[in-house]
Amino acid sequence: EPEVTQTPSHQVTQMGQEVILRCVPISNHLYFYWYRQILGQKVEFLVSFYNNEISEKSEIFDDQFSVERPDGSNFTLKIRSTKLEDSAMYFCASKEGRNEKLFFGSGTQLSVL
Amino acid sequence: GEDVEQSLFLSVREGDSSVINCTYTDSSSTYLYWYKQEPGAGLQLLTYIFSNMDMKQDQRLTVLLNKKDKHLSLRIADTQTGDSAIYFCAESRSSGSARQLTFGSGTQLTVLP
Repeated sequence: EPEVTQTPSHQVTQMGQEVILRCVPISNHLYFYWYRQILGQKVEFLVSFYNNEISEKSEIFDDQFSVERPDGSNFTLKIRSTKLEDSAMYFCASKEGRNEKLFFGSGTQLSVL
Repeated sequence: GEDVEQSLFLSVREGDSSVINCTYTDSSSTYLYWYKQEPGAGLQLLTYIFSNMDMKQDQRLTVLLNKKDKHLSLRIADTQTGDSAIYFCAESRSSGSARQLTFGSGTQLTVLP
């Protein structure tokens, strides 16, 4: 069964460093998302991406965050200058069409020290 | 704004049925989802229901939707120890050209032998 793939599974970084989280959505999917889950808290929406542009972003997704689809297969989330409070599990998700169900990757656990 | 609420914990005996409840506030919800998260793992889509349905059954899983009361439940028949996990209810709403999910806080299901 096709799946959303995320790399790395764990990322440790120093505060102030840039990180790039990578995702390979399911190949025929058109809508892409990033969510995050801080330990013990709800899964929160960060950003949605369609037709090579951001469709919607939450208040969490400030100027330190950016997303990119550099080629036909990858979808990346960049955090320019990480803060301690960016430590969380980051989930990528994709879906085929507007009314289709959402598939999640297994997540990247980001730890900012 | 939209909100999704779940009880935090549920314990059942192996072989019994589990019922996990969820309430939501957004009357424009179209899809409602149940995701399962095992320790250290991603979000696994268990089942979903379209808002014009009352019930959906999929093997041991039964989803009931009361749209009037904005209440969703997940029943797991013959619960097994492997069903121990956190179960997230989520609802999708329309937002321009994309739809994003709002998650509940998750219900920790513990299955006792």
